[in-house]
Amino acid sequence: DSGVTQTPKHLITATGQRVTLRCSPRSGDLSVYWYQQSLDQGLQFLIHYYNGEERAKGNILERFSAQQFPDLHSELNLSSLELGDSALYFCASQGQNYNEQFFGPGTRLTVL
Amino acid sequence: QQPVQSPQAVILREGEDAVINCSSSKALYSVHWYRQKHGEAPVFLMILLKGGEQKGHEKISASFNEKKQQSSLYLTASQLSYSGTYFCGTVHSGGSNYKLTFGKGTLLTVNP
Repeated sequence: DSGVTQTPKHLITATGQRVTLRCSPRSGDLSVYWYQQSLDQGLQFLIHYYNGEERAKGNILERFSAQQFPDLHSELNLSSLELGDSALYFCASQGQNYNEQFFGPGTRLTVL
Repeated sequence: QQPVQSPQAVILREGEDAVINCSSSKALYSVHWYRQKHGEAPVFLMILLKGGEQKGHEKISASFNEKKQQSSLYLTASQLSYSGTYFCGTVHSGGSNYKLTFGKGTLLTVNP
């Protein structure tokens, strides 16, 4: 158990819909990273938040957005969903000693 | 830029050794190694920092050649539990723009 929690574990929705994925980092960790993992693209970095502020963006679509709240939990919002958005979405919190990342169990999103 | 991992896949018998390589076209700040078992989240194995410092948790060693922008992960006397997909993640700068870019992974299978 990494100490990072993600909900929901599975999400099945239809094209055009909007969903919100939630992540709580390990106690004491200020950074949250979001990743998308699909069979053809591998693990893709989406976005990084540190203590409520956006720090870095990766291959995140304009239809996707994220935020980190004062209690440090983070939400990833995916809108106008397409079939190609079906993937595993991981969040990770970053340790402050060595910058290692601890991954949550992931949310498996299926868009039908 | 996504780092390049080699080999893409390797099959071992228990007790054999393996080396997984990771190379980048850009100067590296640090290299992370993770293992992911099917259906699970990636798990941190080791981080290698510029200047040669290494931090790891398991009986796995790695090297980091800053000049060649390469890292290698050494798995010795492999065990069945070593099976999984190994990802290297590269970081090109520290500070607030810290982001991890993962390679496509190396699938390691250890057979009895």
